[in-house]
Amino acid sequence: ILNVEQSPQSLHVQEGDSTNFTCSFPSSNFYALHWYRWETAKSPEALFVMTLNGDEKKKGRISATLNTKEGYSYLYIKGSQPEDSATYLCAFIKAAGNKLTFGGGTRVLVKP
Amino acid sequence: DTGVSQNPRHKITKRGQNVTFRCDPISEHNRLYWYRQTLGQGPEFLTYFQNEAQLEKSRLLSDRFSAERPKGSFSTLEIQRTEQGDSAMYLCASSTTDSPNIQYFGAGTRLSVL
Repeated sequence: ILNVEQSPQSLHVQEGDSTNFTCSFPSSNFYALHWYRWETAKSPEALFVMTLNGDEKKKGRISATLNTKEGYSYLYIKGSQPEDSATYLCAFIKAAGNKLTFGGGTRVLVKP
Repeated sequence: DTGVSQNPRHKITKRGQNVTFRCDPISEHNRLYWYRQTLGQGPEFLTYFQNEAQLEKSRLLSDRFSAERPKGSFSTLEIQRTEQGDSAMYLCASSTTDSPNIQYFGAGTRLSVL
């Protein structure tokens, strides 16, 4: 059983503040780590696909880092805005696999 | 709209009834996945198809669950004799076979079993 964990489970952030949260995953048999943003009543939207140790990816005010040797990834939101309110999911794919194994998500609420 | 489409968006049923959900993937995607998400949890893998072949099934997929993708395009997920524990969001995703296998999700079907 693959163990993918996210912390914290939920986060309240004041508009304009920056925040970050963690995804931990198995460090063996690593193929890729995906980050998704899931807003209520919408489809989960792919943010990043990370494959190499030390990867850093950025999309607007959101960025992510990857450490495959120790099995963790951070997602950062800089200058949070109310539209960043969503559940952020990470998902692990093992080598020679196709299915995503998700963490439980971090629910972010940005307060104006 | 060329994204992944799921129907219905919501389904309320009584315990013991059968339900069927449909997923229409992105047209050029040959892989199709089903996941289930219960409250407070991340989505869990149920099964996936490559074209019309069902290549992997989770142990979560009991014998009351069956999925098909008869022509390698749309897929259906049927749950027979529904139980209250089947209440969940059922998500469908599709992808190509190209690395790194980005999966594109539909908005899901929320099932409530009374």
